[in-house]
Amino acid sequence: QVQLVQSGAEVKKPGASVRVSCKASGYTFTSYYLHWVRQAPGQGLEWMGIINSSGGYTTYAQQFQGKVTMTRDTSTSTVYMELSSLRSEDTAVYYCARETSNGFDVWGQGTMVTVSS
Amino acid sequence: DIVLTQSPGTLSLSPGERATLSCRASQSISSSYLAWYQQKPGQAPRLLIYGASIRATGIPDRFSGSGSGTDFTLTISRLEPEDFAVYSCQQYGYSYTFGQGTKLEIK
Repeated sequence: QVQLVQSGAEVKKPGASVRVSCKASGYTFTSYYLHWVRQAPGQGLEWMGIINSSGGYTTYAQQFQGKVTMTRDTSTSTVYMELSSLRSEDTAVYYCARETSNGFDVWGQGTMVTVSS
Repeated sequence: DIVLTQSPGTLSLSPGERATLSCRASQSISSSYLAWYQQKPGQAPRLLIYGASIRATGIPDRFSGSGSGTDFTLTISRLEPEDFAVYSCQQYGYSYTFGQGTKLEIK
């Protein structure tokens, strides 16, 4: 079945970086764009950016430019999201999600990133 | 950027009642690119409605969506116990934006 499986929870200190992975299976990886969405505790969903799984092109939300880097490895059908210069405000659950013309139809299970000294 | 404002923030209803959730956009958007998601605690969002009114695969017909331009509505005709969750709207026509969510709680 179509699924996105994310890497496990992370605890980082302020100023560090974190990389979260999202492995796709059950479909042709290069045929769909993938997104990253974050959700701070008790808050709504916030779109971070998109990666073209085929060409690797990316577009980031303005508030994340210079802070996030999204990459992909077509050999393993995996996308990565790296967040730098972590602050306590970056504590959140991070989701990857597949885009179709019908919205975000498949989501990863989420990865909790905690930033704490 | 397009801002989506959902109301109410919290809706308290009983099973069997009808729920009406609103999503208002800061500028007109194509209804083709308006979606609704359901999210339960500790779970990822689930796609309910896309194209403003089309139910996603496996979504019961008690869920319906409507609207155009700047005003969109998600209606749950008769609430089941499993429907109590947070609902978020999303536009994906001009970049991507989510509303802040409406929490549907048991009264």
